[in-house]
Amino acid sequence: GDSVTQMEGPVTLSEEAFLTINCTYTATGYPSLFWYVQYPGEGLQLLLKATKADDKGSNKGFEATYRKETTSFHLEKGSVQVSDSAVYFCALSDRTGSARQLTFGSGTQLTVLP
Amino acid sequence: DTAVSQTPKYLVTQMGNDKSIKCEQNLGHDTMYWYKQDSKKFLKIMFSYNNKELIINETVPNRFSPKSPDKAHLNLHINSLELGDSAVYFCASSQVLDRVGVLTFGAGSRLTVL
Repeated sequence: GDSVTQMEGPVTLSEEAFLTINCTYTATGYPSLFWYVQYPGEGLQLLLKATKADDKGSNKGFEATYRKETTSFHLEKGSVQVSDSAVYFCALSDRTGSARQLTFGSGTQLTVLP
Repeated sequence: DTAVSQTPKYLVTQMGNDKSIKCEQNLGHDTMYWYKQDSKKFLKIMFSYNNKELIINETVPNRFSPKSPDKAHLNLHINSLELGDSAVYFCASSQVLDRVGVLTFGAGSRLTVL
């Protein structure tokens, strides 16, 4: 079945540092790929997405490129802020019958220190 | 105006009790989901309903019973609660015709079984 493998955390960075969170996937079809973010005490929010190979998703300074050849979707940000502290989930979406189903990675806790 | 709302936000109860969590979405989406997040933040799909019809039913104890009275509501009833049921339960919704598969999540319901 489909699966997502994500870099284990926790990750601790200083403000303005460069961030990379690795994500690789296994899927039989052509999934869409996502990064979701979960701030403390809240539900998951979509951060960015990419629907086909070589697409780049971007939002709030975060970027990720859909790499079919390496089955990867690594999340990057050039300069993190304290407010970026959260848990980040890589996910893929594929069809199960008539519905889309998200399969999530295990999440990576990011803490940014001032 | 909250898009996906869950109640209650917190639930503390004794082993053996029966409890329900309610979810409502005002996005006009066709599909609703329940996800379980364990203490290590791992997210796993439990159920999905499309327009009141059950379409995804993962390996979940039959003590868990979802009910969808209409396409805007998906409730989760849990019988004979066990310690291992302690988790955060997330409701989510999506548009079935959305080929990308973006899900909108509620804020979560934290269940603690004593």
